[in-house]
Amino acid sequence: GNSVTQMEGPVTLSEEAFLTINCTYTATGYPSLFWYVQYPGEGLQLLLKATKADDKGSNKGFEATYRKETTSFHLEKGSVQVSDSAVYFCALSRPSASGGSYIPTFGRGTSLIVHP
Amino acid sequence: EADIYQTPRYLVIGTGKKITLECSQTMGHDKMYWYQQDPGMELHLIHYSYGVNSTEKGDLSSESTVSRIRTEHFPLTLESARPSHTSQYLCASARGGNTEAFFGQGTRLTVV
Repeated sequence: GNSVTQMEGPVTLSEEAFLTINCTYTATGYPSLFWYVQYPGEGLQLLLKATKADDKGSNKGFEATYRKETTSFHLEKGSVQVSDSAVYFCALSRPSASGGSYIPTFGRGTSLIVHP
Repeated sequence: EADIYQTPRYLVIGTGKKITLECSQTMGHDKMYWYQQDPGMELHLIHYSYGVNSTEKGDLSSESTVSRIRTEHFPLTLESARPSHTSQYLCASARGGNTEAFFGQGTRLTVV
């Protein structure tokens, strides 16, 4: 079934460093792919998305490209800030067991800690 | 701006109590979901709904129940809370099958 695997954390960086968080997926068909971010004490919020192969999603300096050939959707940012410290989730949708709907399915989350 | 709300944000209750966690959305979404988030951050689906009067159990076995009498409302009930139910509960909704999910801020439940 559809699933995602993302790198384990925590990822610890200094401010202005380059960030990569790896995410690979398995899927039947061509699902949309998502990155969500969760700040402490909050729910998840969408960071960016890509709906088809070779699409690049971007937001707030973060980018990810939907790579069908490598089944990947790695998250990158050129220069991280302390305020980027959060947990990041890679996600896609998978069909429900009954086939009547789709279920948002998430990786295990990667904690990012950025030091001044 | 996401319009999905969970109440309460924090709850501490005694063992054996019945509780209901509230979730409401004003976006008219058919799909709604409850996730339990463990301390290691992983999200586990416990219930979902396709629409009014449609509910299904998720991947993680749960002693909770849900109902969907109105499109906008998807409450989760624990008939008899136990310390093992201590967790963060996240409610989400989505417009369609392959679209983004919108999350509430979560309810952090502690059973003592």
